[in-house]
Amino acid sequence: IAGITQAPTSQILAAGRRMTLRCTQDMRHNAMYWYRQDLGLGLRLIHYSNTAGTTGKGEVPDGYSVSRANTDDFPLTLASAVPSQTSVYFCASSKQGRLGGYTFGSGTRLTVV
Amino acid sequence: AQTVTQSQPEMSVQEAETVTLSCTYDTSESDYYLFWYKQPPSRQMILVIRQEAYKQQNATENRFSVNFQKAAKSFSLKISDSQLGDAAMYFCAYRSPYSGGGADGLTFGKGTHLIIQP
Repeated sequence: IAGITQAPTSQILAAGRRMTLRCTQDMRHNAMYWYRQDLGLGLRLIHYSNTAGTTGKGEVPDGYSVSRANTDDFPLTLASAVPSQTSVYFCASSKQGRLGGYTFGSGTRLTVV
Repeated sequence: AQTVTQSQPEMSVQEAETVTLSCTYDTSESDYYLFWYKQPPSRQMILVIRQEAYKQQNATENRFSVNFQKAAKSFSLKISDSQLGDAAMYFCAYRSPYSGGGADGLTFGKGTHLIIQP
């Protein structure tokens, strides 16, 4: 793989179910991010990790959790999905503090019904 | 916190013409980075152009150029000789170089949908 791999590409999920969106990068970037994209709202930061072992909350963290056990993986978990979490989710990575080092995954389209 | 505003939800331009997408931002920082991203129907986020705030010279990338007005906090994107492949959502984004232990993420505008008419 080269860049960022997200899985699944799309998913339909029943409300109340637990779901983990996977994100793996092979560029050894220290910083990783999860965004959600909603029509008319652009992309909003959910959670971030500046380095392995640390995470932080972004603009819209409620209902989501993340972990960063190693440099490459940054999964996003919805503990109990709700319809308002229907969105397209993007994982991204960068060399922290470096200009233009942002790389995005191809996104996961999640529909909660 | 920084905010990014794109005041044009949708723009339309004839093929081969020039179009300018507007972006303004609000920040108290003196140094930062600005970006334009393109998102075609494939959903992929593609970096179009970037600008460092301390550089007065406007960035250019082939048919894409910016008009960076630091005092006015304005960062518009000009696309010359528009092509059908330019049709996409365009997002303006701001990045602080100082994470301070917090998020080092991008702050995005809401996007402009660019339509290219043949």
